[in-house]
Order: sequence, then structure tokens, then C-alpha cells
Amino acid sequence: GQQLNQSPQSMFIQEGEDVSMNCTSSSIFNTWLWYKQDPGEGPVLLIALYKAGELTSNGRLTAQFGITRKDSFLNISASIPSDVGIYFCAGLRGSQGNLIFGKGTKLSVKP
Amino acid sequence: ETGVTQTPRHLVMGMTNKKSLKCEQHLGHNAMYWYKQSAKKPLELMFVYSLEERVENNSVPSRFSPECPNSSHLFLHLHTLQPEDSALYLCASSQEARGPYEQYFGPGTRLTVT
Repeated sequence: GQQLNQSPQSMFIQEGEDVSMNCTSSSIFNTWLWYKQDPGEGPVLLIALYKAGELTSNGRLTAQFGITRKDSFLNISASIPSDVGIYFCAGLRGSQGNLIFGKGTKLSVKP
Repeated sequence: ETGVTQTPRHLVMGMTNKKSLKCEQHLGHNAMYWYKQSAKKPLELMFVYSLEERVENNSVPSRFSPECPNSSHLFLHLHTLQPEDSALYLCASSQEARGPYEQYFGPGTRLTVT
């Protein structure tokens, strides 16, 4: 079945460092979404990508829709303690409307 | 209230109980979803409703019964659950069910089945 491979599974970094994570699939996706989930809360949408090659920023966050349409990347610059949480990628194939989620990247930031 | 709200936030129930989870969206969306989130697993889509009509049922056991009385409200009725049903249940909504529409999530209900 459809599957998204998200890596790394977890990251433990120093405050101020930049962070990169990615999501890959053997299938082509038409939409990529990146979410952040804090403990005890639902996922919050960070960035939405709709076109291959698209690069979109939201503050210190930048995400890219891979040119092959099989991957996406999220970068966080100059991390701060409130960046702590689990980051999920989600992909949408065609117009089915059903998102496929990665397993998440758990980010820990040491002050 | 704004966005997507869910009640209760926490629920503990025995295997013989009947309870309901409630979701309400204040975004004017036409589609609503139920997801199950278990530890170390990707979010699992359970049900999709579009304009109050169920359009997807992802092989969910009948002990979970959804209800969508209007486009703003979604319920998940629970009965005779199993301990492995303990999880975070998330509701989401989007403008439409078909197409590249972003889904917005509620805070979830943490369910524990004893």
C-alpha cells in the first residue's frame, strides 16, 4: 500500500542549530503538507505545497516539494526551545482527498 | 470558538460502556474526518464525511459508529471497545473531501479503555 518514509525518526539538537527532515515515497503525490504536533494536542498545519519544485516559507520554516513529486523536505532555521514537538509530513495522491501520513520526526531542542 | 473543537479531551471507559466523542468545526468546511493516532504508528484514517454523507469507511470495526448530523458537527459513538482501542482520536475538517484541500485538526480526545 501507500507509505511515506519520514526521517529521521528523532533529532536532539542544540538551540540555534538548523534542522532538516524529509519524507519520501515510491509513489507520486500532488500535495504535500507539513504539520507540527505538541504533546496532548492535535497536529497544526505549518506549510502546504501544491507544485513540484515549489519552495515555501513560514517564518523560520521552509519546505520544498521535490521535483520528482515523490519527496518533500522541511527545514527549520535557528531552532528555539518552542520548536520541540513531533513533525509530520502528509501527502495527497490525485484528487482522492485522503491524506497519507508519515510516522513523524520527534524534535528535541537543548537550550 | 474558532477552528476545530473536540470534547471530551480525556475519556476513560470500561469495555461494556457506551460513550460518544464530539467534534465541531467553525471553519465553514464541508468535509469532516475521524482519525486514530496510536503510539509509533502513522495517523489512521477512520471515516470521511462530505456534506453529511459518509464517503469513506476504512474497514473500521462496527464498535465505532460515526454520525454527522450537519456539516459542522461530527460524532463518534463507542460501544464494547477493547483495550487496544485506547488512543488519541482526532477530528479534522477541510473545505471539500475531494481535491488538494488542507485538513485542520482538533486537539483530540485521549481515550483509555480499561
